[in-house]
Amino acid sequence: AQKVTQAQTEISVVEKEDVTLDCVYETRDTTYYLFWYKQPPSGELVFLIRRNSFDEQNEISGRYSWNFQKSTSSFNFTITASQVVDSAVYFCALSEGYSSASKIIFGSGTRLSIRP
Amino acid sequence: GAGVSQTPSNKVTEKGKYVELRCDPISGHTALYWYRQSLGQGPEFLIYFQGTGAADDSGLPNDRFFAVRPEGSVSTLKIQRTERGDSAVYLCASSLNPTGLAGMQFFGPGTRLTVL
Repeated sequence: AQKVTQAQTEISVVEKEDVTLDCVYETRDTTYYLFWYKQPPSGELVFLIRRNSFDEQNEISGRYSWNFQKSTSSFNFTITASQVVDSAVYFCALSEGYSSASKIIFGSGTRLSIRP
Repeated sequence: GAGVSQTPSNKVTEKGKYVELRCDPISGHTALYWYRQSLGQGPEFLIYFQGTGAADDSGLPNDRFFAVRPEGSVSTLKIQRTERGDSAVYLCASSLNPTGLAGMQFFGPGTRLTVL
């Protein structure tokens, strides 16, 4: 069965610190997609990244970077030089198979608070 | 509109009442999904439509929940005999094409349902 675990319920750091959000997933499929979404206080889910199971290259987008390690079934997310606007709940998620018809399985989220 | 829209944004009802929640997907998107997000949790899959038919309704919690998409565009999630445990944010998402690569699901702002 598929499962996504985000062990960190809440994280609070001071602005400009780096912070890493952990994500561990379980799946029996060899083909799957991993996602990160941001949910600011407004409530709308904002897509951040999607990686497929065949691409383990790390990715960097501005202050955001993602570390995908199949050996440990982890897909961690790092924010460098955090800002107050980064405060939100972040969800890691998994979609099995190679079709957009697959449902997305979400973790329980990590609430990130950036203090000025 | 440019994105997925959901109405109403908030719905307060009494236990035992019937409610309908509406989702307008992005124009041209053939796949439509409903998720439910309880307080402090990640979204949970309810049902997926491909066109007019429900391709996967494995997430519906019981027979009080039903969803339709009669013309392959707008969808309505219907909840009969509401219970306090049904209180949650109901999210709708749509994606362009169900075949090929796992497509991006674009999420709406959600309907917050409160059952008193």
